[in-house]
Amino acid sequence: DADVTQTPRNRITKTGKRIMLECSQTKGHDRMYWYRQDPGLGLRLIYYSFDVKDINKGEISDGYSVSRQAQAKFSLSLESAIPNQTALYFCATSDGTRYEQYFGPGTRLTVT
Amino acid sequence: AQSVTQPDIHITVSEGASLELRCNYSYGATPYLFWYVQSPGQGLQLLLKYFSGDTLVQGIKGFEAEFKRSQSSFNLRKPSVHWSDAAEYFCAVGGGSNYKLTFGKGTLLTVNP
Repeated sequence: DADVTQTPRNRITKTGKRIMLECSQTKGHDRMYWYRQDPGLGLRLIYYSFDVKDINKGEISDGYSVSRQAQAKFSLSLESAIPNQTALYFCATSDGTRYEQYFGPGTRLTVT
Repeated sequence: AQSVTQPDIHITVSEGASLELRCNYSYGATPYLFWYVQSPGQGLQLLLKYFSGDTLVQGIKGFEAEFKRSQSSFNLRKPSVHWSDAAEYFCAVGGGSNYKLTFGKGTLLTVNP
């Protein structure tokens, strides 16, 4: 089984709808991250969390919110989706002593 | 602020040819450097990392990278490319207490038969 899972893998939604992307991990890592990937722009950090009570904004947090329900679960919400939030979203994890991050398979989100 | 530049957006090589993907970073202290690969429809997989010590690091799938502090570079190399290496490659830099990584915009590798 994959160490970092994301659901759903693909989602099409309409402008103005609320949507939640979920991430679960079995690696036992404390740190979790949400990125979005756009063609030609690489990965940009949306939010990150060092533990259940520690959540931090990344470089592009506007229009997004997160919830760290448990050490293993980190959800990303779009309260009112807009077309320019169409992107590939990745969840990643890392442990408390290392910098390398481990990525989930991604969620492709389309907002029409 | 830390940053990463991958000067080549797209590179095409023939199968069996050698490969070098360029990465330049900006970071105020000793950086932690990474190369990730993203195959079509997949997440990012860690190829190799540099933390300290030997400046030539070996990774998975026959890749290696060399850290050159004087040039602020961390170029990825492979002596003989296979068709399965076609993917997008990302360089990343991290350091400090925030444990964040900054990614480059990626280099897309096409491998011709």
